[in-house]
Amino acid sequence: QKEVEQDPGPLSVPEGAIVSLNCTYSNSAFQYFMWYRQYSRKGPELLMYTYSSGNKEDGRFTAQVDKSSKYISLFIRDSQPSDSATYLCAMSSLYNFNKFYFGSGTKLNVKP
Amino acid sequence: GAVVSQHPSRVICKSGTSVKIECRSLDFQATTMFWYRQFPKKSLMLMATSNEGSKATYEQGVEKDKFLINHASLTLSTLTVTSAHPEDSSFYICSAASVRGRRNTEAFFGQGTRLTVV
Repeated sequence: QKEVEQDPGPLSVPEGAIVSLNCTYSNSAFQYFMWYRQYSRKGPELLMYTYSSGNKEDGRFTAQVDKSSKYISLFIRDSQPSDSATYLCAMSSLYNFNKFYFGSGTKLNVKP
Repeated sequence: GAVVSQHPSRVICKSGTSVKIECRSLDFQATTMFWYRQFPKKSLMLMATSNEGSKATYEQGVEKDKFLINHASLTLSTLTVTSAHPEDSSFYICSAASVRGRRNTEAFFGQGTRLTVV
């Protein structure tokens, strides 16, 4: 079983839609949860970072962590064509916080 | 966010040759740099962690003699793929963190290097 599972998509939505991206994980030791956006042939860019459980909001983006279900989500409100990219979740544990486990990424396409 | 520059962005080399990839932190001092490998539609896999002035720590299954990492200064780390083979073709990405002991959540990624070995 992979440490982190993420649906690769592609996910295609119309402009203005609410997008929900998700990851599940198996290691209960994970405490740090990140979402990265990666444009084609570019390096990942940190979008959101959450520690332990709970919600975090930043503009149109909301990150949710449910540790009891080992499930994390990223919501994008009022999606824009410029949001079209691959979204990667990543996570790490307290005792080895520099070692990231990445999901395989979900490719999102927001149609104008 | 901080800027991490990776060079070259794309390289094609012949099988058996060596390729060097540079990762520079342009506006901060990176005490720790990380090297990842990414296959198409696959997740990033951490290859090694390097701290300035010391030997890199390699992840299980990564050949340290094949993937040579040097972190000689606080702004530069290099990854050398030695005796490259077609199976080494991949997207290599570095990230750099600014403060020793801080979480890698504050690391910034380079733009990646697409290596093709023919």
